[in-house]
Amino acid sequence: NAGVTQTPKFQVLKTGQSMTLQCAQDMNHEYMSWYRQDPGMGLRLIHYSVGAGITDQGEVPNGYNVSRSTTEDFPLRLLSAAPSQTSVYFCASQTSGSVDTQYFGPGTRLTVL
Amino acid sequence: ILNVEQSPQSLHVQEGDSTNFTCSFPSSNFYALHWYRWETAKSPEALFVMTLNGDEKKKGRISATLNTKEGYSYLYIKGSQPEDSATYLCARTDSWGKLQFGAGTQVVVTP
Repeated sequence: NAGVTQTPKFQVLKTGQSMTLQCAQDMNHEYMSWYRQDPGMGLRLIHYSVGAGITDQGEVPNGYNVSRSTTEDFPLRLLSAAPSQTSVYFCASQTSGSVDTQYFGPGTRLTVL
Repeated sequence: ILNVEQSPQSLHVQEGDSTNFTCSFPSSNFYALHWYRWETAKSPEALFVMTLNGDEKKKGRISATLNTKEGYSYLYIKGSQPEDSATYLCARTDSWGKLQFGAGTQVVVTP
């Protein structure tokens, strides 16, 4: 199993550009989540999904869109990048439910100039 | 407590010493408490999941306790080693499985 994979690992954007961060998992997990990590703030939930076709907002959803057309993939779209979106982004998946361990991808470091 | 809070923010430990730190969380609508270990330039890795009041978990020299009634959990590291240096995150889950993370406690173990 590859686990949770994310691409790209690094990305530099200009303000106003759009891009999609890719996330895939091969563990047949129902739940998938996107977090951003900023210094001193831990991990903050952007969007999550409890299954294909179902998504919901997390703590900091503004400026981001998600979709879940398959169980395996959960892309995160930045529609018009802003410097405030400079961060490290982590995708995670878990089987389902509150007591299951989340498995994290390696992260994408995004810089918006 | 509305958020998950961890203290201290950072601590320095001499090799061989033991240490502990705290995670505080809202006790209402509690489902589970997770601890993760996060090394620099890596992804967070799960240590423990605890659900019941009074739960204690142990993994090698690291252990954790849970008090759901008062809303706190302690993580203990016994006989700290340089490889224990990492940021330790706790997270509380709701009924949907969403994790609410604390900001973490950064542990630096010096030889």
